[in-house]
This record gives sequence, structure tokens and C-alpha cells, in this order.
Amino acid sequence: NAGVTQTPKFQVLKTGQSMTLQCAQDMNHNSMYWYRQDPGMGLRLIYYSASEGTTDKGEVPNGYNVSRLNKREFSLRLESAAPSQTSVYFCASSEAPGARGAFFGQGTRLTVV
Amino acid sequence: AQSVAQPEDQVNVAEGNPLTVKCTYSVSGNPYLFWYVQYPNRGLQFLLKYITGDNLVKGSYGFEAEFNKSQTSFHLKKPSALVSDSALYFCAVRRSGATNKLIFGTGTLLAVQP
Repeated sequence: NAGVTQTPKFQVLKTGQSMTLQCAQDMNHNSMYWYRQDPGMGLRLIYYSASEGTTDKGEVPNGYNVSRLNKREFSLRLESAAPSQTSVYFCASSEAPGARGAFFGQGTRLTVV
Repeated sequence: AQSVAQPEDQVNVAEGNPLTVKCTYSVSGNPYLFWYVQYPNRGLQFLLKYITGDNLVKGSYGFEAEFNKSQTSFHLKKPSALVSDSALYFCAVRRSGATNKLIFGTGTLLAVQP
């Protein structure tokens, strides 16, 4: 059972470069999320998609864009990477509200130099 | 707005002793509350949830949590800690209703000494 799959696992970018983080889930979940994890900050929500065709900003959306390509896939794009975006990024998915909570991918460790 | 507070950055406990990891929340309406655990270099794993019903919720690995509406708390507990319980623990809240936004606390590092 794959669950939530994120690619890549590691990435180093130069300031100003762009990249897309990919996420796919095979659990037929409606909701998908992108979080970033930084020391002492916990997980902060960047964007989420409550259902296919909808996306909403989370707590820290600046510098990011997302695409809910279909029910399975939810990508996160950094148009012009900055050192402040160095972080570990997690994708997650969940069923409708009140279900078993969210399932997380293994994370992408991104370094912007 | 919804928020979660985990007041302790780290909790230290001896193996075999009971443990508590604290969580308080703020949300309008009825909350859905969750605990997750993160081991080094891994994603988060679901431990347990409170949606409705019995205030004492039992979850994976012998953990339980007690929902206290008057104190807006959802503390994680275990009667007897194991060294293997050492990890980072996150509390999360989601407002009931249409929105699915899941908000996390800052995490508490649990260190269980042998």
C-alpha cells in the first residue's frame, strides 16, 4: 500500500530557481494538504484542497502555488525559491471531516542556497 | 480562527513511569482533535482522534487522550512509558463542518530515559 507518495525526497535549489514538488495518494481521499516543518514552528499549513477542483490558502502561502491536478495529485510549486523556503515539506491527505485524520508522505527536504 | 498550543517543547520521563503531553486548542464550534507522532526522518503517523462521544479516547501503541471541553484541552497520556516512545508528538485541530483545514501545534519532543 503506497499511501501518500512525495517526490523528490531531497532537493537543493539556487535562489531564484523554480521547482515543483509532486504528491500523489491512492486512498481516494478528498482532501489534500501541503505543510512545511521548521524547527520550533511545528507544521504550518501552506495550501490545502478540500476536494478536487478547489484550493485554499493556509497559514503561510506566500511564495507558493498549488495545483490539484485530479483527485489523486496535488503539487506545490515554488516559482522563485528563496533561502527562507529551506524546510521539510510534507504532503498529506484525508477523508471528509471527522475521519481518521490525515495520512502523511515521507517528506521532501529542500535546501535553497 | 483555530489554533493549537503545546506548551512544552520537551517532556522527559523515565521508562515505566506515566507520561503526559499537553495540548490546548482554540476553535469555534465543535473541534475534531488529533494526535500524531513523528519519528526521526519520517512523516507523521496518526495516533488517535476525538470527534464526539466518550471523552477518553484510546489509540495506537497504548496511548490515550482525554478531551476536556471546559479546559479546551486534549492531553496525550500513557500509563507506562517505553524508550521506543521517544519521538516528536503533534496535536492538531480541525473545525467541524465544511472546511477540512487541519492545524498543528509546534510539537513536543518526548524523551524516555531507560
